[in-house]
Amino acid sequence: DADVTQTPRNRITKTGKRIMLECSQTKGHDRMYWYRQDPGLGLRLIYYSFDVKDINKGEISDGYSVSRQAQAKFSLSLESAIPNQTALYFCATSGRGTGEVSNQPQHFGDGTRLSIL
Amino acid sequence: GENVEQHPSTLSVQEGDSAVIKCTYSDSASNYFPWYKQELGKRPQLIIDIRSNVGEKKDQRIAVTLNKTAKHFSLHITETQPEDSAVYFCAATYQAGTALIFGKGTTLSVSS
Repeated sequence: DADVTQTPRNRITKTGKRIMLECSQTKGHDRMYWYRQDPGLGLRLIYYSFDVKDINKGEISDGYSVSRQAQAKFSLSLESAIPNQTALYFCATSGRGTGEVSNQPQHFGDGTRLSIL
Repeated sequence: GENVEQHPSTLSVQEGDSAVIKCTYSDSASNYFPWYKQELGKRPQLIIDIRSNVGEKKDQRIAVTLNKTAKHFSLHITETQPEDSAVYFCAATYQAGTALIFGKGTTLSVSS
């Protein structure tokens, strides 16, 4: 789904470095999410945002921060990277429904593979 | 908080057989239950979803059933094909219907 673009696609960096992963979307969705994927652990929610002024912590927010710069952009930062943050990171978006269909399908980007040495 | 358990973690079937993956959730307020398929090296993609006001939904060879009382839902794939081989994730809404919590995934292998 080229409508959700993540940059970079791959990154190798060293412990202690500050890293920013970026996500942009052209789907016009209000809601954006960051997940990390580790083998055998599935997808775990880091942060999510329902509009530009709304930021919420997910299951595993410690060590991460986010910024919703615009409706179309949601970035994830690792202020001081550590090796156990090595993972595949996905951004996702969804539309805003109402009433009984308030939850809408999430659309994922292609992921960023991050390695911290 | 919400917890989603998914079983089995791996499933091997012969082409043409059926496959069933089961998930349980803990938050009785959960009201939306999607299933995603992730092929090797690719992004997760939605294959089917169900809302809490429906007990069953079908789309060609794929069906999902929901039992709200028991707080579990299942994915059924009939007449499996090798291209069905992938990792499948279930999910449930979290914090009164806002974000999703995912199960740990099931690796389905369909051999011909």
